[in-house]
Order: sequence, then structure tokens, then C-alpha cells
Amino acid sequence: DAKTTQPTSMDCAEGRAANLPCNHSTISGNEYVYWYRQIHSQGPQYIIHGLKNNETNEMASLIITEDRKSSTLILPHATLRDTAVYYCIVRVAVGTYKYIFGTGTRLKVLA
Amino acid sequence: GAVVSQHPSWVICKSGTSVKIECRSLDFQATTMFWYRQFPKQSLMLMATSNEGSKATYEQGVEKDKFLINHASLTLSTLTVTSAHPEDSSFYICSASEARSYNEQFFGPGTRLTVL
Repeated sequence: DAKTTQPTSMDCAEGRAANLPCNHSTISGNEYVYWYRQIHSQGPQYIIHGLKNNETNEMASLIITEDRKSSTLILPHATLRDTAVYYCIVRVAVGTYKYIFGTGTRLKVLA
Repeated sequence: GAVVSQHPSWVICKSGTSVKIECRSLDFQATTMFWYRQFPKQSLMLMATSNEGSKATYEQGVEKDKFLINHASLTLSTLTVTSAHPEDSSFYICSASEARSYNEQFFGPGTRLTVL
């Protein structure tokens, strides 16, 4: 079973920040949180990942709560090309480091 | 860097035939590759984990005799769907992790399989 829960869908106005929440209340201390997105009929694209500190890169920011039970992906200035399904994944920390995908959030950026 | 390719990008076959899908890491060595299946409007479902030079580890409920996985080199893994049936029609996606780091998986573009 997936270790994450996300809202099924969200809308965001173009140019505004998109804040996508994720709950991972059963996360273990050495498990990372990863975010990917999938544009229709393509393979998932890596966005960002983190362990316990907040992270930022050219695509997005990742805010992880102090207890690590939830996180938020922030797209600072959403564009129409950001319309996609966003997956929050907790990477298993031992063995094969596999991903278990949840249902994801379908983000629609509106003009 | 970290590009993963899949071939073919789409395939249509008749029921009962076998189909092979290739997954290649183009600019890095991947000791571990993963195979996923995705049905329309659903999430990715992990089918198996493949380590170079050893047998694949299949997820519960995935038939290993139907979905044959070979990972013979550090840059190539293949998935063969044997005796395909219409219910095997799906989007098959592979991913690869670098040998020196398990930081993230790099995904291929996917292969659309349609079984008539």
C-alpha cells in the first residue's frame, strides 16, 4: 500500500503559486520524500526530494513539517505547462529502494 | 544526463503473441531497473525490480512467468509479455537508478501496448 495520501485534484490560476499537500504519517526516520509529475502519456519527471530539511531547486520548493508527517510541494509561479498529475512518494529506505506510487494530485493550471 | 529510453514507444499485437519492451539507460550505468504498469486514469503500479545479473523480484500478484524480465547489462533491461491478451493492454514504464547513488529513479517515456 502507498504510504502517502494526496488530494485527488486541484486547480490553480496561471502565475499564482501552486501548493500541493501530501500526508505521510507513517514515514520512517530514514525514508525520503520524493515528488514527481506525469504529463499525459509520458513517463514521470523528477521534481525534488528531501529528508527533513526544506529544499528548493529551479522547479519547486519542498516544505517538510518538523514531525515529517506531511509535506507541501510549491510551484512558485504556475504555468499552463505545469498541468499534470503530481505524485508524492516515500522511498523505501532499505533493500531495493523501490517507490510505491499513490493516487497523486491532478493539478490543472487555469489561464 | 540521466536519460532513460524505451523501445518501442507503442506496439499493437495479436492475442497470444509475445512482445518485448526494451529499457536503456543512455548515459549512466543502472544496477537497478524497475518496471511499472499503468492503466488509464490510474497510478503507476510497480511490477518488479531488476538487478543487473540476477533474477528480478516481482511484486505480489505479478506473474513472473507471464512478465519475463531480463537485466543482462548495466544499461539494458527487457520486459517480455508472453502470450499477451487484451487485459495486458496498458502503459508500461521503466525506470533506472544509478549504481553509485540511489537518490532517484529516472523514468523512461513509456511503451503503450495494445493487444487485439
